[in-house]
Amino acid sequence: QITLKESGPTLVKPTQTLTLTCTFSGFSLSTSGVAVGWIRQPPGKALEWLALIYWDDDKRYSPSLKSRLTITKDTSKNQVVLTMTNMDPVDTATYYCAHTPGGSSDAFDIWGQGTMVTVSS
Amino acid sequence: QLVLTQSPSASASLGASVKLTCTLSSGHSSYAIAWHQQQPETGPRYLMKLNSDGSHSKGDGIPDRFSGSSSGAERYLTISSLQSEDEADYYCQTWGTGRVVFGGGTKLTVL
Repeated sequence: QITLKESGPTLVKPTQTLTLTCTFSGFSLSTSGVAVGWIRQPPGKALEWLALIYWDDDKRYSPSLKSRLTITKDTSKNQVVLTMTNMDPVDTATYYCAHTPGGSSDAFDIWGQGTMVTVSS
Repeated sequence: QLVLTQSPSASASLGASVKLTCTLSSGHSSYAIAWHQQQPETGPRYLMKLNSDGSHSKGDGIPDRFSGSSSGAERYLTISSLQSEDEADYYCQTWGTGRVVFGGGTKLTVL
């Protein structure tokens, strides 16, 4: 059974850097084709994709946020970490990590429960 | 540019059927998509992957009432025998050219 769980601060100040960790089980991020992504959702708004990291360490970023994002993986710990610099109140959102099965599919087929991050001074 | 377009809202009566639409931008009509359901105050749940030929593969535990179909650049999610718990936001998602894209979501109201 695949599970993912997000962790990190619930409150950050403007201009600070946010670091979120996705800890997963039930799969290996060294398996060919598999990837883990980050998605966020501001209160009352739609889902927004942020970043994706593949089993071979290939990384993809949302073009609009690319300059502020870094995604890394620690295969031995079954973790994926997302950092977002220069946080602003508009970055207040629930942040999700999710699994993609690979092959021809980057569909997010298993989601974490999400973690709410508020940006405020 | 890869874009997914969804109607903001839809409604249907309890026990009836509803068909939600997700439209791929020009030049991307061959792309597969995924449908996700987000019930109030919960995280998204994967429903299915839907290919351009209409074939689809559902997530674990997704009822038979949920089905997908395709026509050109349109991708559909049909929910039959609507139940109160189907009242939710529905998002389509696609991928390609090095990025992932979500539609704006459709809020389904069950009357």
